[in-house]
Amino acid sequence: SYVLTQPPSVSVAPGQTARITCGGNNIGSQSVHWYQQKPGQAPVLVVYDDSDRPSGIPERFSGSNSGNTATLTITRVEAGDEADYYCQVWDSTSDPWVFGGGTKLTVL
Amino acid sequence: EVQLVQSGSEVKKPGESLKISCKGSGYGFTSYWIGWVRQMPGQGLEWMGIIYPGDSDTRYSPSFQGQVTISADKSISTAYLQWASLKASDTAMYYCARPIQYTSSWSFDCWGQGTLVTVSP
Repeated sequence: SYVLTQPPSVSVAPGQTARITCGGNNIGSQSVHWYQQKPGQAPVLVVYDDSDRPSGIPERFSGSNSGNTATLTITRVEAGDEADYYCQVWDSTSDPWVFGGGTKLTVL
Repeated sequence: EVQLVQSGSEVKKPGESLKISCKGSGYGFTSYWIGWVRQMPGQGLEWMGIIYPGDSDTRYSPSFQGQVTISADKSISTAYLQWASLKASDTAMYYCARPIQYTSSWSFDCWGQGTLVTVSP
C-alpha cells in the first residue's frame, strides 16, 4: 500500500513560517489533505486537495504538492498552532485512506 | 451545523464485547459515508472502515477486516463500531468522521469528538 513519510517534529519561533513535509512516491500526482490535531482534541481538516482551505481556516495555512513531496506551510505562526499535523491521500486500492505518521509542531 | 457526536468512554476487560456509536446531525445522514479511524496511545491515525447508511454498503481496511464490525441505523442517524471479543491491543481512541469528495480524492471534513476505549484485566 501507499506510504507517506513525515518528519516527527518541526520547531519554529512565533511569527515565523513553518513548513511541514509529506513524502510519497510521485505524490504530486495525488491530491493531499492535511489535518491539525491539538492535544486532547479530534483532528480538523485544514487543507484539502493540495492547497484549498475549508471555511473558517485562516489564510496563514496553505499547501503545495509537486514531485515526491507535499508541503503544508503555516505563516506568522502562533502559539495556538502548536499541534500534530497529518497528511493524507486517497489511494484507490483496497486500503484507500492513507495517513502520514504525523508531525509535531512546536512553537518555541 | 454538521455534527458527529460519539458515545462516552468505555472500560472493558479482555474477551468482552463492545459497541460504540456515532450520531450524525445537520446533514442528510443517509447520503454520506461515515468512517471510523483508530488512534492508539501516542500514535497516528489509522483508517478502519466506512459505511454508507443509505444502503449499509460497508468497506473495511484489510488491517481491520474480521476484527471489527461496522453498522448503521439510518432511522436514528447513528453509525456503530463493535467488537465481539476485545483485546488489550484494542485500547485506543476511536473517531468517526465523514468522508467528503471534493474532486477525485476523498478526505474527512467532519470528525466526532472521539470515544476512548480502554481494555484492561
